Order: sequence, then structure tokens, then C-alpha cells
Amino acid sequence: QKEVEQNSGPLSVPEGAIASLNCTYSDRGSQSFFWYRQYSGKSPELIMSIYSNGDKEDGRFTAQLNKASQYVSLLIRDSQPSDSATYLCAVNNRERSGGYQKVTFGTGTKLQVIP
Amino acid sequence: DGGITQSPKYLFRKEGQNVTLSCEQNLNHDAMYWYRQDPGQGLRLIYYSQIVNDFQKGDIAEGYSVSREKKESFPLTVTSAQKNPTAFYLCASSMSVSQPQHFGDGTRLSIL
Repeated sequence: QKEVEQNSGPLSVPEGAIASLNCTYSDRGSQSFFWYRQYSGKSPELIMSIYSNGDKEDGRFTAQLNKASQYVSLLIRDSQPSDSATYLCAVNNRERSGGYQKVTFGTGTKLQVIP
Repeated sequence: DGGITQSPKYLFRKEGQNVTLSCEQNLNHDAMYWYRQDPGQGLRLIYYSQIVNDFQKGDIAEGYSVSREKKESFPLTVTSAQKNPTAFYLCASSMSVSQPQHFGDGTRLSIL
């Protein structure tokens, strides 16, 4: 089982709709969860961090965390063509050996917002 | 402005040559990271460092080496042992491993 899993997509939504991006993780001890957006050919940029169960809203973005079910999701309301990008989920976890904490990225979900 | 600077933006390597990618940050972050991204793929962790003079191997460390002699700097050397080095290399930093990472603009490495 991969440590962090995302559906690669592409996820296509019409402009103005809600886009829902999902991510599951395997380490029950994970405490920090991040969503990044990456445009083609560019570096990732942070959208949101979430650390406790429930919803966290920031403008058109809402992150949802459910630690019992080991999933984290990102909702994008009123999707715009400029939201078309790959969305990366990242989760901190412990190395199996050594006990160091590190962050593992999912492979990303490609979102296409159709005008 | 505070941020992470990677240089060069583009780099070409000849067979048998070692090359070093630079990463400098002025965010006063303790943790720094190196990732490799291949076309259409996610980020794979090469090395990371939580404090000065300490670093750990990531998932794909073979053929790479790093140093962390200063808090601000975390250079990555791609050695001749890395047989398929063509990729997009990203450096990141964070206050700690549990905090969000900030990324540089990346270096694209190609083989001549």
C-alpha cells in the first residue's frame, strides 16, 4: 500500500462547479496534512494546511480531515479555469527505520476546469 | 524578499561528470529537502535535513549526495553513479518537518 494515494485523474469539472479532490494515507500517526497546487512546469505552491479533524476554509478552498478514516480532501468552490493544475496531497509520517519524521507526497490529481 | 533560491535554472551534465545544484533560503527555516520530479510523476524525496550538520536519505538517495554546513544552504550533488539524472529537481524548506514546505523554482537537469 502506498503511503499517500490520490486518483491521478484528470478530473474535469465545468466552470463554477465544485471540484472535490481526495487523498488517503496509511500512517495512523500522521499529524500534518497539506495541499499544494502545481501548474505545469512550475514548482508546487501551498494552498492549505490542516492538522485536526473537521473542515478548514480559506476563500474558495475547504480542506476536510478525517483521521479515523485516514483521508483528507480538498473542495474548490466556484471552480475557475485558472484552477486547472495538478493538486498534490502531502502527509507527514515517520520513517519505518530510524524514526525520523518526513513528508510524503501523493502523485497528484490533475484538475481540468472547462469554461 | 524572503524565499528559496535555486540555481542554475537549467543544467546540462556530460557522461561521467558530477554536478552540483544550489539551494539557498533566507526564511530562517531549520528543515530543508530535495525532491526529484519526472514528467507526469509526483515528487520523490532524495534527501532531507532537519538541522545543520545532519541529513537523512529519502526514498531515492542512490547516486546523490548532500551537505548541510550552514542553515541557509543545502546543495545537492548529482554524481556519475546516477545513471538517469534527467529530471526536474526541487528544493524546499520548512520551519520543521510538521510545518508546510516552501519550494524554490526548480532546476532542470539534462544529459548532453
